[in-house]
Amino acid sequence: EAQVTQNPRYLITVTGKKLTVTCSQNMNHEYMSWYRQDPGLGLRQIYYSMNVEVTDKGDVPEGYKVSRKEKRNFPLILESPSPNQTSLYFCASSPLQREWTDTQYFGPGTRLTVL
Amino acid sequence: AQSVAQPEDQVNVAEGNPLTVKCTYSVSGNPYLFWYVQYPNRGLQFLLKYITGDNLVKGSYGFEAEFNKSQTSFHLKKPSALVSDSALYFCAVRDRSNTGGFKTIFGAGTRLFVKA
Repeated sequence: EAQVTQNPRYLITVTGKKLTVTCSQNMNHEYMSWYRQDPGLGLRQIYYSMNVEVTDKGDVPEGYKVSRKEKRNFPLILESPSPNQTSLYFCASSPLQREWTDTQYFGPGTRLTVL
Repeated sequence: AQSVAQPEDQVNVAEGNPLTVKCTYSVSGNPYLFWYVQYPNRGLQFLLKYITGDNLVKGSYGFEAEFNKSQTSFHLKKPSALVSDSALYFCAVRDRSNTGGFKTIFGAGTRLFVKA
């Protein structure tokens, strides 16, 4: 089944404790992206990647890191989480055959709480 | 700067009635517009998109959207609402970043309630 998977689905942590949220897709998509969803703000893009070893900042990159060493994986790293990073996080992927007209496929989300 | 606005936080409609969820956009070039739906405890699902051509775009689950360039709008519509359409709807625009990549800008979302 074609899908985007994220782990963990739920995470409660404490301020300053490094964490990684994994994202994997099995559709051979070039483009991958991370978003955070907050009430009243919709989805905001954190980072995206056009292909392996190519990453770029979205609108809210502060406090996050990403890497793209393999085409299928795009982990999101919080080196020192803070309470304002409590949010619902989504990973997404899309092909790039038609560049920016291609549809994104979303993972199920990771609900992160930072105490 | 590119932006997307969904002026209504919530839309209420009775089952069987037509529904409209509004979206307006601001882009510097040609708009590439999308609608996504989010059901409770799920990720976003693609509904439809406008790239070019016919201003009326048909999508999944009986939804359609009308692109209006003069009003910079891309409203989502359905002729007859179902209770199962109750969900959170997001309008989005695809944009090229300064570094040549592709960013996506989402609206804040509109919650649709369809009452039986």
